[in-house]
Amino acid sequence: SYELTQPLSVSVAPGQTARITCRGDNIGSKNVHWYQQKPGQAPVLVVHKDSNRPSGIPERFSGSNSGNTATLTISRAQAGDEADYYCQVWDTTAAIFGGGTKLTVL
Amino acid sequence: QITLKESGPTLVKPKETLTLTCTFSGFSLSSSGVSVGWIRQPPGKALEWLALIYWDDEKRYRPFLRSRLTIAKDTSKNDVVLTLTNMDPVDTGTYYCAHRQAGGALAGAFDVWGQGTVVTVSS
Repeated sequence: SYELTQPLSVSVAPGQTARITCRGDNIGSKNVHWYQQKPGQAPVLVVHKDSNRPSGIPERFSGSNSGNTATLTISRAQAGDEADYYCQVWDTTAAIFGGGTKLTVL
Repeated sequence: QITLKESGPTLVKPKETLTLTCTFSGFSLSSSGVSVGWIRQPPGKALEWLALIYWDDEKRYRPFLRSRLTIAKDTSKNDVVLTLTNMDPVDTGTYYCAHRQAGGALAGAFDVWGQGTVVTVSS
């Protein structure tokens, strides 16, 4: 079965750029979606179809996808960006989520 | 505005059947391309997709749970029901339903989620 691998944690200083990776076999051929989940809250879609932002999501959030790695980039990181981030793809007829990455802004 | 809300028991006993309802508004589950999915999250763990039902009543299930899962829709009531049989303590977690629009710019992302409902499996 298809698997997505994310780092357990990423740390970034306020104002700097955070990059969260999502690795999967030939993931560049799939549409990758990214979700942000803050403690006690439901996930929120922050990037869809590799690099598109839903309305209301700051331009600081961007994505890319090529080869075996998709990346969520958060520019000018803020304390409010601290959360768990999950990548997701569809593999044939099943939705696959990555294991999640905890972003710490310190 | 699309909204979804999950409801169901907060506590079930081992071997019992869990029935959860997702009541939604702001869209029709009879519109082409629309689907509703269920995703769960054990405490402190990652998101885990469970099932999906399409506007045309096609259904998809997580392979390793397929034998225990059933998803159904009632278009007239704007709800989707998920049943999970033979509950076990490892099924404890928060259960979410979410809206999905196939194709187009969203390309099948879960773009709107319910608030989730917590289910504990314990005797």
